[in-house]
Amino acid sequence: DSGVTQTPKHLITATGQRVTLRCSPRSGDLSVYWYQQSLDQGLQFLIQYYNGEERAKGNILERFSAQQFPDLHSELNLSSLELGDSALYFCASSVDQGREQYFGPGTRLTVT
Amino acid sequence: AQSVTQLGSHVSVSEGALVLLRCNYSSSVPPYLFWYVQYPNQGLQLLLKYTTGATLVKGINGFEAEFKKSETSFHLTKPSAHMSDAAEYFCAVGAPRAGSYQLTFGKGTKLSVIP
Repeated sequence: DSGVTQTPKHLITATGQRVTLRCSPRSGDLSVYWYQQSLDQGLQFLIQYYNGEERAKGNILERFSAQQFPDLHSELNLSSLELGDSALYFCASSVDQGREQYFGPGTRLTVT
Repeated sequence: AQSVTQLGSHVSVSEGALVLLRCNYSSSVPPYLFWYVQYPNQGLQLLLKYTTGATLVKGINGFEAEFKKSETSFHLTKPSAHMSDAAEYFCAVGAPRAGSYQLTFGKGTKLSVIP
């Protein structure tokens, strides 16, 4: 158990819908990262927050957004969902903008 | 910019045999290097990391990796494979970029252990 929690574990929704994925980092960790893992693209970095502020963006679509709240939990919002958005979404946290990241168990999103 | 290449998307070894998973990286700055393992339907678990200092790094579950700067490699080894080692392994390189610190992952190597 990494100490990073994610909810929900599974999510099934229809095209065009909007979903919110939630992540609670390890106690004391200020940095939160979101990744998308799919069979064809592998593990892709989406976005990073540090102590409530956006720090870096990776391959994140404009239909996706995220935020980190004062209690340091983070939410990833996915809208106008397409079939190709079906993937595993992972959250990771680190104590600062440091080196190792600790991953949550992931949310498996299925868009039908 | 940094990148990671993992040679071999699938590797099969017999139980008790040596495990060798290859990773080569490129980085414009001195890198930090990591190996993660992912078991089916689970998140990634940190196996080991190299930051500075000793180039031979020991991790959990009997794995180790050696940082070779001249070869830009960070191969993962284990002397004797166990059935429980069957999983997917990811090599990652970390470096500061634009006020942030990001990891770039390889595409992963799926390890099968044959009884």
